[in-house]
Amino acid sequence: EIVMTQSPATLSVSPGERATLSCRASQSVSSNLAWYQQKPGQAPRLLIYDASTRASDIPARFSGSGSGTAFTLTISSLQSEDFAVYYCQHYNNWPPMYTFGQGTKLEIK
Amino acid sequence: EVQLVESGGDLVQPGGSLRLSCAASGFTFSSHWMHWVRQAPGKGLIWVARVDSDGSSTSYADSVKGRFTISRDSANSTLYLQMNSLRAEDTAVYYCARDGTGTTPTIDFWGQGTLVTVSS
Repeated sequence: EIVMTQSPATLSVSPGERATLSCRASQSVSSNLAWYQQKPGQAPRLLIYDASTRASDIPARFSGSGSGTAFTLTISSLQSEDFAVYYCQHYNNWPPMYTFGQGTKLEIK
Repeated sequence: EVQLVESGGDLVQPGGSLRLSCAASGFTFSSHWMHWVRQAPGKGLIWVARVDSDGSSTSYADSVKGRFTISRDSANSTLYLQMNSLRAEDTAVYYCARDGTGTTPTIDFWGQGTLVTVSS
């Protein structure tokens, strides 16, 4: 079983600054890695898939990188609407596997 | 506009059953795999089940295998989750989610969720 571990659990950053969130897999997941944003009381929203491809209508300030076991989500200049919880997810069509990390809460400093 | 609207969440006793529904619109339902994902109060996301485009293949998380059944009705663009032998640890918001299927390789759109509470 692949385990996805995110760090830190909570990240405090000021608006306008850069935020860097990490996700590590217990074994290689190639580039089968997605990032989601979830705001309180809302459903998650897909930000990044294939480790570095932005989903439709996602602003360019969101970028993903990495492959294998180490991945990063970077938000280049934080806007007020970016403060939320972020989840990484490993996916595999067969055998079916959709494993989420425990989340990183991005809060206003 | 893509819409996924879940219903059927309720308070149920341990050992009981419940069926969740998800009405889909704004896209070609029969072209997409579909998922259920759950989130316990204050906790993270847990994948529950997946059904392929025509309903012929299903997959489940180990924690629900043998108790939950995912199915779909493409004529009515509706996804279902039949939940039997419910346990306290099944308490969660259950999200219906669309797989990108051919466009993006994973879940690309989520409904707003329906709350299932298992308690006596």
